[in-house]
Amino acid sequence: GESVGLHLPTLSVQEGDNSIINCAYSNSASDYFIWYKQESGKGPQFIIDIRSNMDKRQGQRVTVLLNKTVKHLSLQIAATQPGDSAVYFCAENWAGGTSYGKLTFGQGTILTVHP
Amino acid sequence: KAGVTQTPRYLIKTRGQQVTLSCSPISGHRSVSWYQQTPGQGLQFLFEYFSETQRNKGNFPGRFSGRQFSNSRSEMNVSTLELGDSALYLCASSLELAGGHDTQYFGPGTRLTVL
Repeated sequence: GESVGLHLPTLSVQEGDNSIINCAYSNSASDYFIWYKQESGKGPQFIIDIRSNMDKRQGQRVTVLLNKTVKHLSLQIAATQPGDSAVYFCAENWAGGTSYGKLTFGQGTILTVHP
Repeated sequence: KAGVTQTPRYLIKTRGQQVTLSCSPISGHRSVSWYQQTPGQGLQFLFEYFSETQRNKGNFPGRFSGRQFSNSRSEMNVSTLELGDSALYLCASSLELAGGHDTQYFGPGTRLTVL
C-alpha cells in the first residue's frame, strides 16, 4: 500500500545501546527491501538492502532481518551513537513493469540517541 | 563520484504559478525517480524516467509532469500550484531498474513552499 505519514513512531536509546527499528510491509509480491536514514534537512541516505531470497544481511554495525511469513522487516543498529539520531525508513520494491523506479516507503521511525 | 544534485534547494511560489525543479543524477546512472515528501503523507512516488522515457507514474494529478534529457538529467514541473503542493521534492538516481533492483541514491531535495 502507499505510505501514510501520521504520527511517527519514536525510539529513544542511550549511547552504546543496541537499537531495533521495525517495519511492516504490505505487498506480498515485494522482493527487495531497503533501509534509509534521513537527517534533518537532508535526503534519505542508503543504509542497507536485502532481497527476498535472504532472511538476514549484515553491514557495518547494522543488520537487517526479513520475515516474509509475517511481512516484517527490522533494522538492528549495534552500539548506537548520537550520530545515528535520525528518521529511519524502510522501503519495498517488486519485480515487474509496474515497479520501475518505485519505492514504497513506510511511515518512518524517529530514533533519538542520548549521550 | 559526485552525488545526486538538485536545484534549487529552496523555492517560494504563490498559488496558481508553475515551477520547474532540476535533478542531476550520479554520473553513469540512467534511471531517475521523483518523490514528494510531506508530514502528512510521507514519501510518495511521483514518476520514474529511463532513457528519456517515463516508465512509471504514481497517483498524482496531471499538473505534475517531468522529463529526462539525453544526459540523464531530469526536470519535474508542477503547474497551477496549490497550497497542498508545499513539500520536499526528492530526486533519486540508480544505474538501471529493468526488472532488477538497483539502489536508489537520493539528492538533498528541493523545499517548495506555496503561499
